Amino acid sequence: EIVLTQSPATLSLSPGERATLSCRASQSVNNHLAWYQQKPGQAPRLLIYDTSNRASGIPARISGSGSGTDFTLTISSLEPEDFAVYYCQQRGNWPPSITFGQGTRLEIK
Amino acid sequence: QVQLVESGGGVVQPGRSLRLSCAASGFIFGGYGMHWVRQAPGKGLEWVALVSYDGSNKYYADSVKGRFAISRDNSKNTLFLQMNSLRAEDTGVYYCAKDQSGGWCHYWGQGTLVTVSS
Repeated sequence: EIVLTQSPATLSLSPGERATLSCRASQSVNNHLAWYQQKPGQAPRLLIYDTSNRASGIPARISGSGSGTDFTLTISSLEPEDFAVYYCQQRGNWPPSITFGQGTRLEIK
Repeated sequence: QVQLVESGGGVVQPGRSLRLSCAASGFIFGGYGMHWVRQAPGKGLEWVALVSYDGSNKYYADSVKGRFAISRDNSKNTLFLQMNSLRAEDTGVYYCAKDQSGGWCHYWGQGTLVTVSS
């Protein structure tokens, strides 16, 4: 099973600052990596898939990058609605072997 | 717009069974794979199962293989999760999600809570 490790566990920043979240895979996932945002009491929302493709309705200030085993989610200028928990997810090769990272909490400083 | 509504959660004793449903609308249900993903209280996300668009292929997490069964009824736009031999560690909110590109969970329901406790 491919293990995803996210860092940091908690990130404290102020609105307007740049956020950089990391996700490292225990083996290569090629570009098969996604990012989700979850706010308290809500279902997760897909932000990025296939490393760098934004899902529908996701603003341009949110971007993804990386390859192989190291991936990054960047929020260029934090808005109040961006403070949430973020999860990375890989889907492996076919048949799918899907795992999530443990999450990074982005909190207001 | 895409809407997914889960139901069937509740409190159940260890070793018993429960069947979850997910009613879908706003898209061509029979054209997409569907997932179940769960979240234990205060914990992260755990993928549970995936069924292909026509129900012919099914995939499971090791933690539920042999105990849970995913299925679908495309004539009723409904997804199911049959959960047998339930354990305390199966407690959590269960979400259904519409698949995108064979592995991404694009749209999610609001979830249904399953509590396994004596």
